[in-house]
Amino acid sequence: AQSVSQHNHHVILSEAASLELGCNYSYGGTVNLFWYVQYPGQHLQLLLKYFSGDPLVKGIKGFEAEFIKSKFSFNLRKPSVQWSDTAEYFCAVNVNSGGYQKVTFGTGTKLQVIP
Amino acid sequence: SAVISQKPSRDICQRGTSLTIQCQVDSQVTMMFWYRQQPGQSLTLIATANQGSEATYESGFVIDKFPISRPNLTFSTLTVSNMSPEDSSIYLCSVYRDSGNTIYFGEGSWLTVV
Repeated sequence: AQSVSQHNHHVILSEAASLELGCNYSYGGTVNLFWYVQYPGQHLQLLLKYFSGDPLVKGIKGFEAEFIKSKFSFNLRKPSVQWSDTAEYFCAVNVNSGGYQKVTFGTGTKLQVIP
Repeated sequence: SAVISQKPSRDICQRGTSLTIQCQVDSQVTMMFWYRQQPGQSLTLIATANQGSEATYESGFVIDKFPISRPNLTFSTLTVSNMSPEDSSIYLCSVYRDSGNTIYFGEGSWLTVV
């Protein structure tokens, strides 16, 4: 069974600082990878996804993530964070197993950006 | 994208009662899922709702506690049975779109059991 690890549970940054959130997964086969964001009191929104091709994917709001297959990693980055990026970020991996899709989420990272 | 409507959006329920959450999607989808997000925690997959057959439950979740229906390709229900305070959570419906390889989420149903 697949699993997802997010190493940082709570990150506090000042505005304009650079962000990198770690995500590692365990699964030996082909995966689709996602980052979702959940702003306070709101539902999950897709930030970006990877399923094939260029391992560097760009998402909304200036976020990007790089898939490094050899490291089973899909870290999220943003060069300069804003106060409005304060939210919880979830990494997820989708596995197609026997025709069924199964998405497993990491435990989430709470990002707090200080003005 | 997919438009997913969940009802109710919030409810306060008495211990021992049951509540059914509805999920309506704006177009046909192959896969529908139900997740739970307990306070301060990540999302946990409860089950995959299969159209025309019994849902596929994840370890730790059983049909007697979380019966699921999926009568067609755009609609599903999740019932939380015999509720206890430990069932207080956000319950999320999600769908998988083959085109775009993406999972979409409803806004969630926030249940509080008192």
